Amino acid sequence: EVQLVESGGGLVKPGGSLRLSCAASGFTFSSYTMNWVRQAPGKGLEWVSSISSSSSYIYYADSVQGRFTISRDNAKNSLYLQMNSLRAEDTAVYYCARDLGDYVGLGYFDYWGQGTLVTVSP
Amino acid sequence: EIVLTQSPGTLSLSPGERATLSCRASQSVISNYLAWYQQKPGQAPRLLIYGASSRATGIPDRFSGSGSGTDFTLTISRLEPEDFAVYYCQQYGSSPGTFGQGTKVEIK
Repeated sequence: EVQLVESGGGLVKPGGSLRLSCAASGFTFSSYTMNWVRQAPGKGLEWVSSISSSSSYIYYADSVQGRFTISRDNAKNSLYLQMNSLRAEDTAVYYCARDLGDYVGLGYFDYWGQGTLVTVSP
Repeated sequence: EIVLTQSPGTLSLSPGERATLSCRASQSVISNYLAWYQQKPGQAPRLLIYGASSRATGIPDRFSGSGSGTDFTLTISRLEPEDFAVYYCQQYGSSPGTFGQGTKVEIK
């Protein structure tokens, strides 16, 4: 059974940092592009970042470019999102999601984690 | 960036009725790379349809997708109680991939 389990969310002050993790199991993690997608409270979905299976290709939404860094450790079946210079508008539930698209950064998502809440507030 | 506009915002229907959800793109969606997701409160989205009309694994055949270019439709032929949820479309043909704002299907 495919499982994605996020962790690392919490309350952080504006300008602060947080690192999210996503533990994957039930599939060959190293064969898939992975993504982070977020959802602000009561709002819709926003793609945040994609990383190819071997980390060769990485893409970010303009809203997080230069502040967030996606990475993965295939030996540990884990995906990460380092978030720096956090802003109030980054407050959201962050989901990791497995990608089935033909191109990195342009995929659709067949499995999602349960999400981890990041709250940026003084 | 391609903007996806979903309509209506809310659809009030009874179990057994047919639901028709629309997703209109501001530009043509390349290769009809259009997906639909269902999201229930407190849960992660669930993939229903990809490539505009292909059902994802395990999705009941009462869900169907159609359309091309800029106009896409998700149809639920007969609503079951578990189908009342929010539905999102997503285009993944042009960077960045974008989502619509969602259509809520509620019990009338």
